[in-house]
Amino acid sequence: NAGVTQTPKFQVLKTGQSMTLQCAQDMNHNSMYWYRQDPGMGLRLIYYSASEGTTDKGEVPNGYNVSRLNKREFSLRLESAAPSQTSVYFCASSDEGWGATSTDTQYFGPGTRLTVL
Amino acid sequence: QKEVEQDPGPLSVPEGAIVSLNCTYSNSAFQYFMWYRQYSRKGPELLMYTYSSGNKEDGRFTAQVDKSSKYISLFIRDSQPSDSATYLCAMSDVGYGQNFVFGPGTRLSVLP
Repeated sequence: NAGVTQTPKFQVLKTGQSMTLQCAQDMNHNSMYWYRQDPGMGLRLIYYSASEGTTDKGEVPNGYNVSRLNKREFSLRLESAAPSQTSVYFCASSDEGWGATSTDTQYFGPGTRLTVL
Repeated sequence: QKEVEQDPGPLSVPEGAIVSLNCTYSNSAFQYFMWYRQYSRKGPELLMYTYSSGNKEDGRFTAQVDKSSKYISLFIRDSQPSDSATYLCAMSDVGYGQNFVFGPGTRLSVLP
């Protein structure tokens, strides 16, 4: 099992350019997430998908769009990149916890390091 | 005030030391508490989780939750150079979905 894979690993964009970050998981998880990680800020949720065909905004959705293409794939699109979107982007997927005292275990991909000039 | 606070470090300790990592939080509704380990240039991986208050032990790792003080801790006994990483705390009120809040992480270096 590859787990959660992300492409590309690194990307440099100019302000105003667009790009799509790809994410795929092979663990048959229903839930998938996109986070960004900035120094001193912790992981912040951009978008969440509870199942194929559904997406919800997270804490910082402005400037991003997502597509849950199928159960395996969840992509993140920057339509017009801005320097404030320079960050490390992580995709994650989770299996549902069982019982009232268990929790979703989120499995993270290796990340995409994006720089917007 | 941030919802979850964590000393960013870096924290440097000699091999074999006991390490204490801590987070404080403000939302009294949190009842699921997690610790993630993140190696440099890798994604976070779940290390431990605890439901509600109390202690949980797994090998060299012990997680403690004190809900009355809104304070959680991760202890690492007999620390090893392989424990050098950033440790993120995370918490949630419902334990699933988009409701996780992460701390900024503490960078730990264990020196041989």
